[in-house]
Order: sequence, then structure tokens, then C-alpha cells
Amino acid sequence: DADVTQTPRNRITKTGKRIMLECSQTKGHDRMYWYRQDPGLGLRLIYYSFDVKDINKGEISDGYSVSRQAQAKFSLSLESAIPNQTALYFCATSGSGALANTGELFFGEGSRLTVL
Amino acid sequence: DAKTTQPNSMESNEEEPVHLPCNHSTISGTDYIHWYRQLPSQGPEYVIHGLTSNVNNRMASLAIAEDRKSSTLILHRATLRDAAVYYCILPGGTSYGKLTFGQGTILTVHP
Repeated sequence: DADVTQTPRNRITKTGKRIMLECSQTKGHDRMYWYRQDPGLGLRLIYYSFDVKDINKGEISDGYSVSRQAQAKFSLSLESAIPNQTALYFCATSGSGALANTGELFFGEGSRLTVL
Repeated sequence: DAKTTQPNSMESNEEEPVHLPCNHSTISGTDYIHWYRQLPSQGPEYVIHGLTSNVNNRMASLAIAEDRKSSTLILHRATLRDAAVYYCILPGGTSYGKLTFGQGTILTVHP
């Protein structure tokens, strides 16, 4: 089983609908991230959380919200989806403390979202 | 995060070594240099990281210039499975782990 699991893997929805992408991890990491990938633009950070009570905006947080329900779970919501939110979304985790110095992120396999 | 510059694309033949360059002239003394790669239809995966000394692991080697303003990721014998986008990243700062991915280098490996 994957250490970082994203659901759903693929989703097609319509403009204005509410969408939630879920991420769970079994690595025991404190830090979790949501990234968005568009063709030719690399990955851009949407939100990140360094522990259960911590939520931080990334580069492109407008139109998104997140919830850190537990150490192992980090959800990304689009309250009212729009077509330019069509993208590939990745969840990632990393360790804290001494582990943070390695800078190693562990990514899920991605959730492809299409907004019509 | 400090800025990195990588070639948009590189090509290699299978079984040959590949040297992927990265320039980071604004690197600070405490910045680690990280490399990730993204295989087609997959999330990025960690490859290697280093600070000052050259580093080796089972996937690759990282050669860091003496002035640390550039580094090279070395794949000793490229395989078809190494075809991917390779990202050179300098996270740095207090929000360690909050990596900024640029466009990376697209590596094509020919049989």
C-alpha cells in the first residue's frame, strides 16, 4: 500500500460544484502539503500544515481551503469549482525536527480534476 | 527560496552517463541542494540532496561546485526508466520542506 494515498484519483465536475480531495498518510509525518501542477508550470504550493493545529497559505491559495482533521489526514476543498482549477493535484508529507533537514517530501500519486 | 536555473531538456542514450546541470548563483551558506524527479503520470520522488560535499546514493550522485553556485546530478548509466522531469530545488529558509518546484529538465533516454 502507498504511504501517501489520495482520493479520488480522477474527478470530473461542473462549474460551481463543491469538491473535496482527500489525502491520508501512514508515514507518521507532521507536515503535509497540497500542490497543484499545470502543464509547463511545475508544481505550485496551495496550502501546507506543519501540525494538526497549523494551516498556512502557499503561493496560490485563492479559491481553495483545507482541513487538517488529524495528523494523518489533510483535505483540500474547492468550494465552488471553476474551469481554471482543472489541474493535477498532489498531496505530500515530510518529517519535522531532525527529519526536516533532509527536506525530503513524499508525494501521493495525484488527483486529476477536470472542471467543465 | 533561492532561484535555480536548469536546461529545459536533455537527451541521452541508454546505458550512458547523464549529467544534469543546475545553476544556483544566489545560494546561501545554509541552503541544501535537493533533486527530485517526476516520472510520467506519477508524483515527484526524492532523488538526492547535499550541502557542500559530493553525495552518492543508489539512485544517483550529486556533484557540488566548490563555490556552491552550481551542482550536477549524475545518473551513471541511464535506463529508459530514468526518463523523467528532474527538478533542482533549494528550499532553505525557516519553512523547511516548503519546496518550490520550477519547470525542471525533461530528460529523454533513447534505446
